[in-house]
Amino acid sequence: GENVEQHPSTLSVQEGDSAVIKCTYSDSASNYFPWYKQELGKGPQLIIDIRSNVGEKKDQRIAVTLNKTAKHFSLHITETQPEDSAVYFCAASTPHYKLSFGAGTTVTVRA
Amino acid sequence: DTAVSQTPKYLVTQMGNDKSIKCEQNLGHDTMYWYKQDSKKFLKIMFSYNNKELIINETVPNRFSPKSPDKAHLNLHINSLELGDSAVYFCASSLSQGTGNTIYFGEGSWLTVV
Repeated sequence: GENVEQHPSTLSVQEGDSAVIKCTYSDSASNYFPWYKQELGKGPQLIIDIRSNVGEKKDQRIAVTLNKTAKHFSLHITETQPEDSAVYFCAASTPHYKLSFGAGTTVTVRA
Repeated sequence: DTAVSQTPKYLVTQMGNDKSIKCEQNLGHDTMYWYKQDSKKFLKIMFSYNNKELIINETVPNRFSPKSPDKAHLNLHINSLELGDSAVYFCASSLSQGTGNTIYFGEGSWLTVV
């Protein structure tokens, strides 16, 4: 099955700096890569996603990049704010519909 | 209005007991899921139903039994609870089972087995 690895497991950044989270996947058939944000005491919520026919996607301060050849994708958050503090999960989905999650990255934005 | 709602939010129970977690979605979605999140925050799918039919059944002890009376509800019943069952259980739904569909999660049910 699909195996998604996510790094780093924790990330502390100064407010205003950028944060980058990287993920790799194992199944070359994976074609959908969402990112979820989980705030304390809440369920994960989709923040951005990218499909295998696109190399990059941006939405305001967040962007995702995908390198299909290397089988890795990344989340970039620019101008971080305290409300960006949360656990972020990458995921990969194969055409068999099962979504596999990375282990999560706890992001702390220092004021 | 809450899109995916699950009850109870917190549950503390003794080993050996049987308990249920209920889930309802008002999004009109066809597919529903149960995920387990352990103490290290790792999210793992347990079950997936599409239009009341089981489509994903991961390696989960048969003490866990999902039931979907209709496509808007997916309940999770756990028999003979063990200490290792302590976790957060998330119900979720998506428009359909096809890849690329956003999965909407509930707020989670915190289960503690003592």
